[in-house]
Amino acid sequence: GQQVMQIPQYQHVQEGEDFTTYCNSSTTLSNIQWYKQRPGGHPVFLIQLVKSGEVKKQKRLTFQFGEAKKNSSLHITATQTTDVGTYFCAGRSNDYKLSFGAGTTVTVRA
Amino acid sequence: KAGVTQTPRYLIKTRGQQVTLSCSPISGHRSVSWYQQTPGQGLQFLFEYFSETQRNKGNFPGRFSGRQFSNSRSEMNVSTLELGDSALYLCASRPRDRYQETQYFGPGTRLLVL
Repeated sequence: GQQVMQIPQYQHVQEGEDFTTYCNSSTTLSNIQWYKQRPGGHPVFLIQLVKSGEVKKQKRLTFQFGEAKKNSSLHITATQTTDVGTYFCAGRSNDYKLSFGAGTTVTVRA
Repeated sequence: KAGVTQTPRYLIKTRGQQVTLSCSPISGHRSVSWYQQTPGQGLQFLFEYFSETQRNKGNFPGRFSGRQFSNSRSEMNVSTLELGDSALYLCASRPRDRYQETQYFGPGTRLLVL
């Protein structure tokens, strides 16, 4: 079945630095979504990418969808303490099943 | 609009018992999905309902079942509880349009099986 792999599992970042988390699917996706879950909270939808090669930005967050629609990345610039949490990608396959990556848990050193 | 609500928020059960969890989607949303979240397995898809019909099902045993009512509220049931069923159970709703992908998660029900 479809698998979505996400790396790294943990990301320890110095405040002000940049980092990237990557998501890879074993199959071609119809779209990919990104969510953020704060400690003790529930996942909150960030963005959805649909088109091959699509790039979307939300302030300091840049999301990319690969040309083959099998991988995606989230890049955060100038990390702040408010960026703490776990970032999940979720890939929607052509049979409409949604598979979540294991998440990247981000901690920030002030 | 009020967000997705789930009841109860916390639950303690013993092995062998059964449990029913409830989810009320955002008003107007007709699609409800259920997920199990554990530290070791991450977010695992259980099932999705749309207009009272199960649209998709994850790879969980038959002890896990669900249903959706005409008002879009949904319940999931776990029978013969096992220790490994301890998890955060999340419900998420989507708007009417099936192709509208934004999911709104509820706060979850934290289940502990002793």
